[in-house]
Amino acid sequence: GNSVTQMEGPVTLSEEAFLTINCTYTATGYPSLFWYVQYPGEGLQLLLKATKADDKGSNKGFEATYRKETTSFHLEKGSVQVSDSAVYFCALVGGYNKLIFGAGTRLAVHP
Amino acid sequence: GAVVSQHPSWVICKSGTSVKIECRSLDFQATTMFWYRQFPKQSLMLMATSNEGSKATYEQGVEKDKFLINHASLTLSTLTVTSAHPEDSSFYICSASFRGSNQPQHFGDGTRLSIL
Repeated sequence: GNSVTQMEGPVTLSEEAFLTINCTYTATGYPSLFWYVQYPGEGLQLLLKATKADDKGSNKGFEATYRKETTSFHLEKGSVQVSDSAVYFCALVGGYNKLIFGAGTRLAVHP
Repeated sequence: GAVVSQHPSWVICKSGTSVKIECRSLDFQATTMFWYRQFPKQSLMLMATSNEGSKATYEQGVEKDKFLINHASLTLSTLTVTSAHPEDSSFYICSASFRGSNQPQHFGDGTRLSIL
C-alpha cells in the first residue's frame, strides 16, 4: 500500500543554516506529492507540491523535487529563519483523493 | 487563495455533552471534505471522507455513531461528537478540496476539544 516515511525530529538549527528534511514514499503509480506545514496550535498549510516526476515545488524559499528513481521528495531551504519553526508533513495523495501523511518532523530554529 | 474556516477553535465541555464542529469553504465549492484527528505530537489520522449530498465514508475503527458527519452543501460540513467523553479530547482538523485527484486539500485551523 501507499506510505510516507519522514526523518524523525526534532531538527534543531541555528538561524541561516541549511535545512533538509528527508521524505521517501511507497506508492503504486506516480501520485502527487505535498509538503504541509503546521504552526503551533494551527491547522495545516500547503507549503508546496509536485504532480509528476522531476517537478520541483517551491515556496517561501523552500524547495522539493519529485524524484521517481529514489522515490523521494526531500524538503530543502538554504537559510532558515526562526519563523520557520513548525512541524512539517510530507504527504501523497492516494485513492479517493485521500492524503497519506508522514509522521511529521518538528523543526526548531534558534537565533 | 482558497480558505477553509473551522469553528469553534476551542471548546471545553462536560462529559456526556454533544459537540458540533463546523467546516466551511469560503471561496470555493468543496465537493469533498475530510475530517482528521490529531493527538499531541503525532500525525493526522483520517477519520472520514465527506462528499456533498451523500453519506460519509468512515475509516476503519472510527465509530460512525459517535462521530456524526453531515455535508449538506458544497460549502459546509459538520462533525458532531456525540456524548463526548474525556478520551474524545483531541485536536480535530477538517480539510476541503475541489473535484480532481490532483487538487490539494486546504485545511482549517483545527478545533481543540477538551472534555472534562
